[in-house]
Amino acid sequence: EVQLVESGGGLVQPGGSLRLSCAASGFTVSTNYMTWIRQAPGKGREWVSVIYSGGSTFYADSVKGRFTISRDNSKNTLYLQMNSLRAEDTAVYYCARGLYESSYYFYYMDVWGKGTTVTVSS
Amino acid sequence: QLVVTQSPSASASLGASVKLTCTLSSGHNNYAIAWHQQQPEKGPRYLMKLNSDGSHSKGDGIPDRFSGSSSGTERYLTISSLQSEDEADYYCQTWGAGIHVVFGGGTKLTVL
Repeated sequence: EVQLVESGGGLVQPGGSLRLSCAASGFTVSTNYMTWIRQAPGKGREWVSVIYSGGSTFYADSVKGRFTISRDNSKNTLYLQMNSLRAEDTAVYYCARGLYESSYYFYYMDVWGKGTTVTVSS
Repeated sequence: QLVVTQSPSASASLGASVKLTCTLSSGHNNYAIAWHQQQPEKGPRYLMKLNSDGSHSKGDGIPDRFSGSSSGTERYLTISSLQSEDEADYYCQTWGAGIHVVFGGGTKLTVL
């Protein structure tokens, strides 16, 4: 069964750090487009970061320079290192796999985790 | 700039049909989207991908009651024979080179 399970969320003070993990089963993280998406309380869904199968990484402007996406091929796990956390980073964080539809020229998220909650507060 | 807009809420009666709308900003009428569902207390679930010409392909196990269509910059999700478990938040998602992933604000569907 194809599955993603996030972990690592919790309560952290402003300026602190957390590392989120996303363990995959049923497919290989390193050969897929993998992304982190978040949803703050009462807000819409926001793309955070992506790592392509080739290793290229990209970030939303709101997290650039503070967050780092990575993967461990031996553990088939995706990570999000979050530093210098701010109150506005409080959200449920989801990892998702993206598939490319060549006839539509776009990536779509076909597998999602259930999310892990990050709360940044003093 | 690519902006994706959804009505915040919709409602329909049990057994009826409902059509949810996802509107792409002007100039993006050739963009495909995906529809996702999030039931209360559950993770998001991929429903279908939908092209600008209305062709669509559903995810595994998605009932025939769910269908998609397109017109210009609008993308639709139609749910027929509404069931109580269809009460959920529905998000449309698109992607563009250099833009990455963009979501609509979501529509909360209430089944009456």
